[in-house]
Amino acid sequence: GENVEQHPSTLSVQEGDSAVIKCTYSDSASNYFPWYKQELGKGPQLIIDIRSNVGEKKDQRIAVTLNKTAKHFSLHITETQPEDSAVYFCAASTTGTASKLTFGTGTRLQVTL
Amino acid sequence: NAGVTQTPKFRVLKTGQSMTLLCAQDMNHEYMYWYRQDPGMGLRLIHYSVGEGTTAKGEVPDGYNVSRLKKQNFLLGLESAAPSQTSVYFCASSPRGPDTQYFGPGTRLTVL
Repeated sequence: GENVEQHPSTLSVQEGDSAVIKCTYSDSASNYFPWYKQELGKGPQLIIDIRSNVGEKKDQRIAVTLNKTAKHFSLHITETQPEDSAVYFCAASTTGTASKLTFGTGTRLQVTL
Repeated sequence: NAGVTQTPKFRVLKTGQSMTLLCAQDMNHEYMYWYRQDPGMGLRLIHYSVGEGTTAKGEVPDGYNVSRLKKQNFLLGLESAAPSQTSVYFCASSPRGPDTQYFGPGTRLTVL
């Protein structure tokens, strides 16, 4: 089955700096890669996703890049703000009715003033 | 829309007791999922459903049962709770499989 590794487990940045979280996956058939943000005491929320036919996707201060050859994808947050502090999870799956997401172990991002 | 709701929010059980967690969604989604979240282990899939009346096993199904009698509800049952089932449980729903899953607020379960 799929295995997703995520690094780092914790990340502290100063407000205004950039943050990068990296994930690798094992199943070459995976073609859908979402990122979820989980605030304290809440359920995860989808913030951005990318499919294997795209190398990069941006949404305001958030971007995701995908390298299918290396089986590697990353989340980039620019101009970080205190409200970006949360736990971020990457995931991977194939697509289809029986497909399931495999999650990474999470990165706790702390944005300091 | 309330989205995905979970009942209860917190529960403490003794070893061997049983309970049912309820997940409800008002978005008319076909797919529903139950995950557990443990420190340092991310989210792991317990069971899922691709439509009313269907269920399937996920990554960690042992000790749990599920039912999807109505499209909007997905129930997770623990027949004989064990301390290893202490966790935070999340339900999610989606219109099209793994894409765009909407998560509930979670249920924190402690088994003594």
